[in-house]
Amino acid sequence: DTGVSQDPRHKITKRGQNVTFRCDPISEHNRLYWYRQTLGQGPEFLTYFQNEAQLEKSRLLSDRFSAERPKGSFSTLEIQRTEQGDSAMYLCASSARGEQFFGPGTRLTVL
Amino acid sequence: AQKITQTQPGMFVQEKEAVTLDCTYDTSDPSYGLFWYKQPSSGEMIFLIYQGSYDQQNATEGRYSLNFQKARKSANLVISASQLGDSAMYFCAMREGSYSGGGADGLTFGKGTHLIIQP
Repeated sequence: DTGVSQDPRHKITKRGQNVTFRCDPISEHNRLYWYRQTLGQGPEFLTYFQNEAQLEKSRLLSDRFSAERPKGSFSTLEIQRTEQGDSAMYLCASSARGEQFFGPGTRLTVL
Repeated sequence: AQKITQTQPGMFVQEKEAVTLDCTYDTSDPSYGLFWYKQPSSGEMIFLIYQGSYDQQNATEGRYSLNFQKARKSANLVISASQLGDSAMYFCAMREGSYSGGGADGLTFGKGTHLIIQP
Protein backbone atom coordinates (compact mmCIF):
# COMPACT_ATOMS: atom_id res chain seq x y z
CA ASP A 1 0.00 0.00 0.00
CA THR A 2 1.56 3.30 -1.08
CA GLY A 3 -0.90 5.64 0.64
CA VAL A 4 -0.45 7.79 3.73
CA SER A 5 -0.25 5.72 6.90
CA GLN A 6 -0.78 6.77 10.50
CA ASP A 7 -0.02 5.05 13.75
CA PRO A 8 -1.70 4.33 16.06
CA ARG A 9 -5.23 4.29 14.67
CA HIS A 10 -6.74 4.71 18.12
CA LYS A 11 -5.32 6.08 21.34
CA ILE A 12 -7.02 6.31 24.71
CA THR A 13 -5.19 8.25 27.37
CA LYS A 14 -5.80 9.88 30.71
CA ARG A 15 -5.86 13.62 31.12
CA GLY A 16 -2.39 14.99 31.75
CA GLN A 17 -0.52 12.27 29.87
CA ASN A 18 1.62 12.88 26.81
CA VAL A 19 0.84 11.21 23.49
CA THR A 20 2.72 10.95 20.20
CA PHE A 21 1.34 10.12 16.77
CA ARG A 22 3.26 9.14 13.67
CA CYS A 23 2.53 9.84 10.01
CA ASP A 24 4.27 8.26 7.02
CA PRO A 25 3.48 10.21 3.85
CA ILE A 26 3.43 8.95 0.29
CA SER A 27 7.11 8.46 -0.46
CA GLU A 28 7.59 11.05 -3.22
CA HIS A 29 5.56 13.76 -1.46
CA ASN A 30 7.62 16.58 0.02
CA ARG A 31 4.72 18.36 1.71
CA LEU A 32 3.08 17.05 4.86
CA TYR A 33 0.11 18.46 6.77
CA TRP A 34 -1.55 17.80 10.12
CA TYR A 35 -5.24 18.46 10.73
CA ARG A 36 -7.63 17.94 13.63
CA GLN A 37 -11.24 16.92 13.15
CA THR A 38 -13.85 16.97 15.91
CA LEU A 39 -17.23 15.28 15.67
CA GLY A 40 -19.55 16.89 13.17
CA GLN A 41 -16.96 19.33 11.86
CA GLY A 42 -14.62 19.55 8.93
CA PRO A 43 -10.89 19.11 9.47
CA GLU A 44 -9.01 22.10 10.87
CA PHE A 45 -5.47 22.82 9.74
CA LEU A 46 -2.76 22.54 12.40
CA THR A 47 0.63 22.68 10.72
CA TYR A 48 2.53 22.10 7.49
CA PHE A 49 6.01 20.88 6.52
CA GLN A 50 7.90 21.19 3.30
CA ASN A 51 10.59 18.57 3.52
CA GLU A 52 11.92 18.94 7.08
CA ALA A 53 11.01 22.61 7.47
CA GLN A 54 7.88 23.51 9.43
CA LEU A 55 6.58 26.43 7.37
CA GLU A 56 3.20 27.18 8.89
CA LYS A 57 1.50 26.72 12.24
CA SER A 58 -2.15 27.41 13.00
CA ARG A 59 -3.22 29.34 16.06
CA LEU A 60 -4.92 26.08 17.06
CA LEU A 61 -1.47 24.62 17.70
CA SER A 62 -0.99 25.58 21.33
CA ASP A 63 2.36 25.30 23.09
CA ARG A 64 1.36 21.83 24.28
CA PHE A 65 1.52 20.63 20.67
CA SER A 66 4.75 20.02 18.81
CA ALA A 67 5.35 18.49 15.41
CA GLU A 68 8.55 17.33 13.78
CA ARG A 69 9.68 15.91 10.48
CA PRO A 70 13.38 15.36 11.16
CA LYS A 71 14.50 13.78 7.90
CA GLY A 72 11.80 15.07 5.62
CA SER A 73 10.07 11.72 5.55
CA PHE A 74 7.82 10.66 8.43
CA SER A 75 6.41 13.14 10.92
CA THR A 76 5.40 13.00 14.56
CA LEU A 77 2.81 15.06 16.41
CA GLU A 78 3.17 15.19 20.19
CA ILE A 79 0.57 16.51 22.61
CA GLN A 80 1.81 17.19 26.12
CA ARG A 81 -0.40 17.28 29.22
CA THR A 82 -3.47 16.18 27.27
CA GLU A 83 -6.84 17.73 28.04
CA GLN A 84 -10.32 16.39 27.37
CA GLY A 85 -10.73 19.03 24.69
CA ASP A 86 -7.91 17.38 22.74
CA SER A 87 -10.18 14.41 21.98
CA ALA A 88 -10.49 14.36 18.21
CA MET A 89 -9.38 12.63 15.04
CA TYR A 90 -5.88 13.72 14.01
CA LEU A 91 -5.41 13.52 10.28
CA CYS A 92 -2.19 13.62 8.31
CA ALA A 93 -2.03 14.46 4.62
CA SER A 94 0.74 14.68 2.05
CA SER A 95 1.01 16.28 -1.36
CA ALA A 96 3.37 16.85 -4.24
CA ARG A 97 1.29 18.73 -6.81
CA GLY A 98 -1.56 20.24 -4.86
CA GLU A 99 -4.12 17.57 -4.09
CA GLN A 100 -3.65 16.49 -0.50
CA PHE A 101 -3.99 12.78 0.16
CA PHE A 102 -5.10 11.89 3.64
CA GLY A 103 -4.23 9.04 5.93
CA PRO A 104 -6.80 7.08 7.94
CA GLY A 105 -6.30 9.25 11.01
CA THR A 106 -5.56 8.65 14.68
CA ARG A 107 -8.58 8.89 16.93
CA LEU A 108 -7.59 10.28 20.34
CA THR A 109 -9.82 9.91 23.37
CA VAL A 110 -8.76 11.73 26.53
CA LEU A 111 -10.49 10.44 29.65
CA ALA B 1 -16.90 35.41 8.21
CA GLN B 2 -16.66 31.77 7.26
CA LYS B 3 -14.35 31.10 4.37
CA ILE B 4 -16.21 27.99 3.22
CA THR B 5 -19.95 27.66 3.60
CA GLN B 6 -21.88 24.48 2.99
CA THR B 7 -25.54 25.23 3.61
CA GLN B 8 -26.90 21.69 3.38
CA PRO B 9 -26.21 19.77 6.60
CA GLY B 10 -27.95 16.70 5.17
CA MET B 11 -29.49 15.46 1.94
CA PHE B 12 -31.55 12.44 0.98
CA VAL B 13 -31.46 11.46 -2.68
CA GLN B 14 -32.90 8.56 -4.63
CA GLU B 15 -30.43 6.20 -6.23
CA LYS B 16 -29.54 7.04 -9.86
CA GLU B 17 -30.59 10.68 -9.48
CA ALA B 18 -28.09 13.50 -9.93
CA VAL B 19 -26.99 15.37 -6.79
CA THR B 20 -25.75 18.92 -6.36
CA LEU B 21 -23.87 19.77 -3.17
CA ASP B 22 -23.54 23.49 -2.54
CA CYS B 23 -20.37 25.32 -1.58
CA THR B 24 -19.67 29.03 -1.43
CA TYR B 25 -16.33 30.52 -0.49
CA ASP B 26 -14.90 33.83 0.58
CA THR B 27 -11.44 35.05 -0.32
CA SER B 28 -9.80 38.24 -1.49
CA ASP B 29 -6.84 36.38 -2.98
CA PRO B 30 -7.03 36.18 -6.78
CA SER B 31 -5.26 32.83 -6.74
CA TYR B 32 -6.84 29.93 -4.91
CA GLY B 33 -7.83 26.30 -5.30
CA LEU B 34 -11.05 24.55 -4.44
CA PHE B 35 -11.29 20.90 -3.47
CA TRP B 36 -13.99 18.38 -2.70
CA TYR B 37 -13.42 15.42 -0.42
CA LYS B 38 -15.61 12.46 0.50
CA GLN B 39 -15.51 10.98 4.00
CA PRO B 40 -17.34 7.65 4.38
CA SER B 41 -18.29 6.34 7.80
CA SER B 42 -14.93 4.57 7.96
CA GLY B 43 -13.32 8.00 8.38
CA GLU B 44 -10.78 8.33 5.58
CA MET B 45 -10.81 11.52 3.51
CA ILE B 46 -10.97 10.71 -0.19
CA PHE B 47 -9.97 13.38 -2.72
CA LEU B 48 -12.61 13.80 -5.44
CA ILE B 49 -11.93 16.86 -7.58
CA TYR B 50 -9.95 20.10 -7.81
CA GLN B 51 -10.64 23.48 -9.45
CA GLY B 52 -8.07 26.26 -9.73
CA SER B 53 -9.21 29.87 -9.71
CA TYR B 54 -7.66 30.49 -13.12
CA ASP B 55 -8.97 27.32 -14.74
CA GLN B 56 -11.12 28.21 -17.71
CA GLN B 57 -13.18 25.05 -17.72
CA ASN B 58 -15.10 23.33 -14.98
CA ALA B 59 -13.29 20.30 -13.58
CA THR B 60 -14.66 16.83 -14.20
CA GLU B 61 -13.60 13.45 -12.80
CA GLY B 62 -15.76 10.53 -13.85
CA ARG B 63 -19.21 11.00 -12.28
CA TYR B 64 -18.03 14.11 -10.43
CA SER B 65 -18.06 17.60 -11.87
CA LEU B 66 -17.52 20.97 -10.27
CA ASN B 67 -19.86 23.79 -11.22
CA PHE B 68 -17.49 26.74 -10.76
CA GLN B 69 -19.12 30.18 -10.81
CA LYS B 70 -16.31 32.56 -9.96
CA ALA B 71 -18.35 35.76 -9.84
CA ARG B 72 -20.74 34.18 -7.36
CA LYS B 73 -17.88 32.53 -5.44
CA SER B 74 -19.61 29.22 -5.81
CA ALA B 75 -18.10 25.75 -6.34
CA ASN B 76 -20.86 23.21 -6.28
CA LEU B 77 -20.16 19.50 -6.65
CA VAL B 78 -22.39 17.57 -9.02
CA ILE B 79 -22.58 13.79 -8.78
CA SER B 80 -24.29 12.17 -11.73
CA ALA B 81 -26.22 8.89 -11.49
CA SER B 82 -25.82 8.55 -7.73
CA GLN B 83 -25.04 5.15 -6.22
CA LEU B 84 -25.60 3.68 -2.77
CA GLY B 85 -21.84 3.84 -2.21
CA ASP B 86 -21.95 7.62 -2.56
CA SER B 87 -23.52 7.88 0.90
CA ALA B 88 -20.97 9.78 2.98
CA MET B 89 -19.96 13.19 4.31
CA TYR B 90 -18.78 15.58 1.61
CA PHE B 91 -16.45 18.47 2.38
CA CYS B 92 -15.62 21.49 0.28
CA ALA B 93 -12.21 23.02 0.98
CA MET B 94 -10.10 25.94 -0.21
CA ARG B 95 -6.41 26.70 -0.41
CA GLU B 96 -5.52 30.38 -0.74
CA GLY B 97 -2.41 31.74 -2.38
CA SER B 98 -0.42 31.09 -5.51
CA TYR B 99 -0.24 27.56 -6.75
CA SER B 100 2.76 26.61 -8.79
CA GLY B 101 2.64 22.89 -8.91
CA GLY B 102 2.25 22.32 -5.19
CA GLY B 103 -0.09 23.38 -2.44
CA ALA B 104 1.51 25.77 0.00
CA ASP B 105 -0.91 26.40 2.82
CA GLY B 106 -3.27 24.19 4.70
CA LEU B 107 -6.81 23.71 3.48
CA THR B 108 -9.81 25.45 5.02
CA PHE B 109 -12.78 23.10 5.14
CA GLY B 110 -16.51 23.67 5.34
CA LYS B 111 -18.71 21.89 7.88
CA GLY B 112 -19.75 19.28 5.35
CA THR B 113 -22.91 17.82 3.88
CA HIS B 114 -24.12 14.39 4.93
CA LEU B 115 -25.42 12.73 1.77
CA ILE B 116 -27.62 9.65 2.03
CA ILE B 117 -28.54 7.75 -1.13
CA GLN B 118 -31.76 5.82 -0.81
CA PRO B 119 -32.57 2.71 -2.91
